Amino acid sequence: GAGVSQSPRYKVAKRGQDVALRCDPISGHVSLFWYQQALGQGPEFLTYFQNEAQLDKSGLPSDRFFAERPEGSVSTLKIQRTQQEDSAVYLCASSLSGTSGQRPGAKNIQYFGAGTRLSVL
Amino acid sequence: EDKVVQSPLSLVVHEGDTVTLNCSYEVTNFRSLLWYKQEKKAPTFLFMLTSSGIEKKSGRLSSILDKKELFSILNITATQTGDSAVYLCAVVGQGAQKLVFGQGTRLTINP
Repeated sequence: GAGVSQSPRYKVAKRGQDVALRCDPISGHVSLFWYQQALGQGPEFLTYFQNEAQLDKSGLPSDRFFAERPEGSVSTLKIQRTQQEDSAVYLCASSLSGTSGQRPGAKNIQYFGAGTRLSVL
Repeated sequence: EDKVVQSPLSLVVHEGDTVTLNCSYEVTNFRSLLWYKQEKKAPTFLFMLTSSGIEKKSGRLSSILDKKELFSILNITATQTGDSAVYLCAVVGQGAQKLVFGQGTRLTINP
């Protein structure tokens, strides 16, 4: 596609419900990232995929958060037993490059989707 | 722990003014610094800086990096109401792919 696509744009969940957020990256992009952005704050890293491999999940706040990218394209971020503090905008980004050893360049630029705004009541 | 601090957090100016946004950072084995513009949706990429002292320019926007003093600035000249947004600064460290963001600067341009 032309850009990173996320769905749904808005999600309202009752506390304790499970939610699934979808990210469709730019076609051909190897790397995919999830970030969480609280109101008035900058995005915070959650997890990173290179193709289907989850290489870094150090930012996931608890074991209620789970992400997958089974075929190396579309990714899903799942939050189980949602809590009020999970309310935030969840941003997905993709980049062309999958390597960190080379000199950074245009291939490393992360392009973002519009995000999913999650409200937990 | 990698850290990015942006200042000011909020700035209100009149159309036509010139503004300078600041970004200081602490990162292990710096690789790059990026600036994004975020309106009410996706952050959009502005600049990537990797080398000290080399200015990146795009129209009325420009940015420069000082790796010795660990900061970057984003300049916007002849501001327009369409420049109103949150400007985010982020860094990438060696061996990592993730972006570490600052809190952002909320810029408001009044007509």
